[in-house]
Amino acid sequence: RKEVEQDPGPFNVPEGATVAFNCTYSNSASQSFFWYRQDCRKEPKLLMSVYSSGNEDGRFTAQLNRASQYISLLIRDSKLSDSATYLCVAPPTGFQKLVFGTGTRLLVSP
Amino acid sequence: EAQVTQNPRYLITVTGKKLTVTCSQNMNHEYMSWYRQDPGLGLRQIYYSMNVEVTDKGDVPEGYKVSRKEKRNFPLILESPSPNQTSLYFCASSLFPGNTEAFFGQGTRLTVV
Repeated sequence: RKEVEQDPGPFNVPEGATVAFNCTYSNSASQSFFWYRQDCRKEPKLLMSVYSSGNEDGRFTAQLNRASQYISLLIRDSKLSDSATYLCVAPPTGFQKLVFGTGTRLLVSP
Repeated sequence: EAQVTQNPRYLITVTGKKLTVTCSQNMNHEYMSWYRQDPGLGLRQIYYSMNVEVTDKGDVPEGYKVSRKEKRNFPLILESPSPNQTSLYFCASSLFPGNTEAFFGQGTRLTVV
């Protein structure tokens, strides 16, 4: 089983739609979770951290479900500019690296 | 401006010709790492460094070397590049390895023919 798994998509949604992605992780010792955004052929950039109590930043909400070992990202009122690949990160405690999922591609159309 | 700078951005080379991709960060981060990104495989760590003169292998280190003589610089060396090293490479730095924001360079698209 992969350490971090994501549905590659693409998720095709119209502007204004609400879309959600899930990401499952295998190591129950993981303590920190993140969502990164990557535009085509560009570097990943941190979108938001995921806390145990959840995290909301404008139209974006991230949730953590430790019992089922997944994190989610909800995007409300999708914009064309949200089109990108969203990378889930779940580094296990004590390991010297970030463990990235392969990403979920989102396409928002007019 | 806080940034990670990689050079070159694009490189086409021939099999066996040694090359170096440079990486420099201005945030005084101790932790730096190199990733390669391939379609369907995501970002895979090549090497990482916890501090000056401290480096270790990541998930896919074969065919690569690194050095960390100064805190700000972490070059990636391909002694004898092969076509299977054609990929998009990213350097990243962070304050700590696993639980803080990683800042990425703009990437180096390498083609080995």
